[in-house]
Parts: sequence; structure tokens; C-alpha cells
Amino acid sequence: DQQVKQNSPSLSVQEGRISILNCDYTNSMFDYFLWYKKYPAEGPTFLISISSIKDKNEDGRFTVFLNKSAKHLSLHIVPSQPGDSAVYFCAAVNAGKSTFGDGTTLTVKP
Amino acid sequence: ETGVTQTPRHLVMGMTNKKSLKCEQHLGHNAMYWYKQSAKKPLELMFVYNFKEQTENNSVPSRFSPECPNSSHLFLHLHTLQPEDSALYLCASSQTRDPQNEQFFGPGTRLTVL
Repeated sequence: DQQVKQNSPSLSVQEGRISILNCDYTNSMFDYFLWYKKYPAEGPTFLISISSIKDKNEDGRFTVFLNKSAKHLSLHIVPSQPGDSAVYFCAAVNAGKSTFGDGTTLTVKP
Repeated sequence: ETGVTQTPRHLVMGMTNKKSLKCEQHLGHNAMYWYKQSAKKPLELMFVYNFKEQTENNSVPSRFSPECPNSSHLFLHLHTLQPEDSALYLCASSQTRDPQNEQFFGPGTRLTVL
């Protein structure tokens, strides 16, 4: 049973608009969440994280929202840029172990 | 070189071969990780080393054997693999094993088992 799910395998957004990437989890014991971005032929790179005691964390164009009651987190990118086109993974941490989602491929069109 | 490097980038091997994947980090980190990413599946953590000691083995078959001779180098020795082991193998490092530390990933080794 997959504990971390990214239900949208792909997302296409126009440049300048907002990109919203979603992630759902089932384990209420997760206490830390991270987002990674991955370009083809490269390893994932860390983007932004959030502790379970917070509901929002912002870093420049990237904001992560956490809704613990819904077991849902989202990554907002605004404004979206063509260079943001990549695969985005969410990860959830419990007892020191990270569980990753399948990833969502974001395409930002010029 | 900087960051996390992995060699080789691509590897094709038969089921009877023995090969090794190498990972090197130049970040002064103390924790290193091996991940497996199969097609259409999430990243799976395989092994964790913290200060050269293996701290996690997530039920990985014994045909995968990790080695961490020092904090900067991590190897994954492969022998008698199966075709279903074909995947992208990613190495990562972080300051310590604390999961709140950002992990820096290498580019991965694309492994094909024939």
C-alpha cells in the first residue's frame, strides 16, 4: 500500500501562471515533508520542506502548504517559468525514514 | 569536482556478472544513501550509512552489497542480478542522517540487466 501518492502524473501550465502540485499521504505519523525537483539525466534536487507543526512555508516563488486533517500537501510555484519544467517528487518522513511519491511531470509552456 | 558524482552513468550487465557502482561526494557530508528508482515506481531507499556505519537496510536482497570505506565514498556491489533489478540507482548524501537535512543527489546510474 503506497503511503505517499501524487495522483497527477503530469501537469501543463502556461508561463507566468501558478503551478499547483499535489501530494496525499496516509500515515498520520509523518512529521516532515519535502519536495524535490528532477531534470532528465540528473538526480533530484531539494526544493523546499515543511514540518508537520506548520501549515505553510515559503521560499521565493515556491510555497508548500500542509493540511494535516486532509493528509494533503501541495507545492505552489508562482509565477511559473519554462525552467521549472521537471519531475517533482514529494517525500514524507517518519521515524527517520523517507517515503517518496511517484512524481508529477510539470511542463511550463512559454 | 563538486557535489555528488556517480560512475558509471550507464551499465549493462548479464545475470552472471559482477559489477560495482561508485558514488563520491565532495560536500563533507557524513551520511550517504543508495536509492532505486524503477520505471513508474516511487524512489525506494535501499541503504543508509551514517559516519561510515550502515544504519539501514530496507529489506534489500543480498545480491546487492553496499560498502562505505570512508565518508566520501559509497559503493554498491552487484552480483547475480535479475532483469527486474534494471532501474536507475541514485546515490545521495546529507550532513547527517537527520531526515530534515537536505539530501543532495547524484545523477544516477542507469542499470540494465539482461
